[in-house]
Amino acid sequence: AQTVTQSQPEMSVQEAETVTLSCTYDTSESDYYLFWYKQPPSRQMILVIRQEAYKQQNATENRFSVNFQKAAKSFSLKISDSQLGDAAMYFCAYRSRNDMRFGAGTRLTVKP
Amino acid sequence: EAGVTQSPTHLIKTRGQQATLRCSPISGHTSVYWYQQALGLGLQFLLWYDEGEERNRGNFPPRFSGRQFPNYSSELNVNALELEDSALYLCASSLGRAIAKNIQYFGAGTRLSVL
Repeated sequence: AQTVTQSQPEMSVQEAETVTLSCTYDTSESDYYLFWYKQPPSRQMILVIRQEAYKQQNATENRFSVNFQKAAKSFSLKISDSQLGDAAMYFCAYRSRNDMRFGAGTRLTVKP
Repeated sequence: EAGVTQSPTHLIKTRGQQATLRCSPISGHTSVYWYQQALGLGLQFLLWYDEGEERNRGNFPPRFSGRQFPNYSSELNVNALELEDSALYLCASSLGRAIAKNIQYFGAGTRLSVL
């Protein structure tokens, strides 16, 4: 079974600074997608960013970008110019045609 | 357009009872997913339904079951409740069934407390 590992249970960042959340995964499949989801204290999980395994170019959404290293099976999330509203649990997720896995999550604290 | 809705918001049961949780997907979505989020344990995949059929199942005992109705809404049933079943149960929906790129949209969850 595919596994997704987030090795940082907690991270903190100063407001306006940059932080990187780590994620590694294990798979034998070639066609898959990787996602980062955010779960604020209000509980509703929302998508942050998505990366297709076939695309070498790293996905970017405003202040959020990923560093996708397919050979190393690494998919880290970089948050630039951190804002107080970025404080949340962040989950890395793997999705293939018939399978999906989430990591254990990283709790991000943003200090004013 | 309404998002994924889950009911009830909170559910309190005693050990040995049965719990039924409900989920209505976004209009047009045919896939529904159930996850368990126990405190400190991240998101554990429970069940995946699409077009009325169970497509995949996580590593949970058979007392966790569910179904998807013709209108694509879904129900999660947990029989013979145990204390460790206390958790937040999240439902998500997406377009299609075998398209990996489809984004899952999550509901706010049902908090199940087993006393």
